[in-house]
Amino acid sequence: AQTVTQSQPEMSVQEAETVTLSCTYDTSENNYYLFWYKQPPSRQMILVIRQEAYKQQNATENRFSVNFQKAAKSFSLKISDSQLGDTAMYFCACPAQTGANNLFFGTGTRLTVIP
Amino acid sequence: GAGVSQTPSNKVTEKGKYVELRCDPISGHTALYWYRQSLGQGPEFLIYFQGTGAADDSGLPNDRFFAVRPEGSVSTLKIQRTERGDSAVYLCASSLISGRVSEQFFGPGTRLTVL
Repeated sequence: AQTVTQSQPEMSVQEAETVTLSCTYDTSENNYYLFWYKQPPSRQMILVIRQEAYKQQNATENRFSVNFQKAAKSFSLKISDSQLGDTAMYFCACPAQTGANNLFFGTGTRLTVIP
Repeated sequence: GAGVSQTPSNKVTEKGKYVELRCDPISGHTALYWYRQSLGQGPEFLIYFQGTGAADDSGLPNDRFFAVRPEGSVSTLKIQRTERGDSAVYLCASSLISGRVSEQFFGPGTRLTVL
């Protein structure tokens, strides 16, 4: 069965500091993508970063980067130089099952950036 | 350009009533998804459209839920005989093409409250 586990329900970080959000998943697929979405209080889910599982190089988007460990099925998100606007819920997601196009989400981590 | 829009943003109804939730995807996006997000949870898949047809409706919880996309653009999620357990945020997403790697763009959601 598909599982995505985010073991940190809440985290906080001082502005300008670095924080890492963890995610582990389980899939029977060999070739897949993984995603981190951000959901601010406005409710709109915004794609932060995605990782192709067949690529060894970790994805990076400006202040956001991932630490992808395929064998361990771990996909953590690192936010550098945290900003107040980073305060949001963060969800890790993977494709639901073989052949499916929808995403399977974790339960989320609520991140608060403290001024 | 305009993103995914959803109307209404909030809907309060009484148990047993019928509701319709509307989603306007990004113009030209062929794939459309509905998700449901309960309090404190990540989004859960309901149904996926490719064009006008429902390619995967395996996430619909029961036959009170139905969705249409008659012209391959706007979609309506319909819930009959609403129950208190249907209270949640209903999210719509669209992507340019179908496929497991296509970025899904989300709308702001409709918060449904069943009294």
